[in-house]
Order: sequence, then structure tokens, then C-alpha cells
Amino acid sequence: DQQVKQNSPSLSVQEGRISILNCDYTNSMFDYFLWYKKYPAEGPTFLISISSIKDKNEDGRFTVFLNKSAKHLSLHIVPSQPGDSAVYFCAARIQGAQKLVFGQGTRLTINP
Amino acid sequence: EPEVTQTPSHQVTQMGQEVILRCVPISNHLYFYWYRQILGQKVEFLVSFYNNEISEKSEIFDDQFSVERPDGSNFTLKIRSTKLEDSAMYFCASSEDRAGGETQYFGPGTRLLVL
Repeated sequence: DQQVKQNSPSLSVQEGRISILNCDYTNSMFDYFLWYKKYPAEGPTFLISISSIKDKNEDGRFTVFLNKSAKHLSLHIVPSQPGDSAVYFCAARIQGAQKLVFGQGTRLTINP
Repeated sequence: EPEVTQTPSHQVTQMGQEVILRCVPISNHLYFYWYRQILGQKVEFLVSFYNNEISEKSEIFDDQFSVERPDGSNFTLKIRSTKLEDSAMYFCASSEDRAGGETQYFGPGTRLLVL
């Protein structure tokens, strides 16, 4: 199932700089997108979401951008902090369904 | 802040045995879910449950699996006869039943190891 893809398995960013995590999808029936953060041995923690009727949603240091024509979304974290080091998953939901389809995850490391 | 809880955190079982994984969803949520993540793979949807019945399930969720809401707070996943390939982290999640309440909140997971 390759409907949601995170092509970068890892990303390393300097503390205080911007982290940009990317996600591509293939199914145009997705209408709701979410980003989750996961620490080892814990469950995914919800960060931020965006509906397909919007192109941007912001919550504190986190901003999600949605480009429907490119079927691409990104998560911006600014400024990046050491506690942001984790695996980040994007997930998408098909209109009218409940199941979330997850990407493979990107491991973000924030360097001091 | 309300959260989803899961027990046990770890479960080791012999192949062919039955296991029951337990979850307490967030109290005002009405949609409940099970997902799993096999080591090194994506998080995969198993099943969603609403109004005391399965509302959606994946091809993974075959006759070996069942879900139940035995009382007003617990939500369980039963695997009838475990196989080696059932070894995974199992996550429970819940969400509200309202427009704009689509976000699914996940529990910490149960690590299941089948020997």
C-alpha cells in the first residue's frame, strides 16, 4: 500500500532552524490529513491536521501546508527544539471512511 | 488531558494461544480503532468500531480477530489463535462522533510477541 509516502527516512536539523518534513499521496479521495509524532515504545501523538478544503493550518511552532494539485503536504517546525527529535508520520483519511493510511515515517534529529 | 490507555504494555504468548488486548478510549469518544505496526513497517489499520458494531475493517482483520465493547469503558481486541506473524505493536485509538472531530488519538500500544 503506497498511497501515502514519506520519501525521506531521516532528517537532521540544527536546533533553532526550520525542520521541513514532506509527504506525498496518490489517492485524490483523501480529504483529511494528519501529522503524528512518535517516540520509541510510545503511541503516535497527534500534532496537527488539515482538511482538504484548506491549504494551510498553523498551531504554534507547527504549520502544515497542503498542495492538492501536487498531492503533497509538508510539516514545518520552527524553531526546532531538541524535544522535537522523534519519528514523524503523516496519515490520510479517505472521504467517508474512518481508516487512516500512514506513511513510513521520517526520523527527525535535532542537533544542539 | 484525557488519553487512551492500553493494557498490558507487553504480552508474550505461544503460537496458537488466544490473546486479548485491552483499551480504555477517551471517555466522550464514540469511534474506536485498532491499528498495528510490525517492526520496521508502517502503521496499518485493522478495524473501526462504532455504535457496538464494526464500521470498517481491513483485509488483515480476518476471522482470527474480533473486537468487543464489553462494558461502558473498555474496548478489546481478541486474537483467537496467534501466529508468529501477529507479533507487532498494537495501538488502540479513539475519536469523537462529530463534524470536525475526525482526529484519532492513540494509546501507548501493546507489544505482542508470539513465540
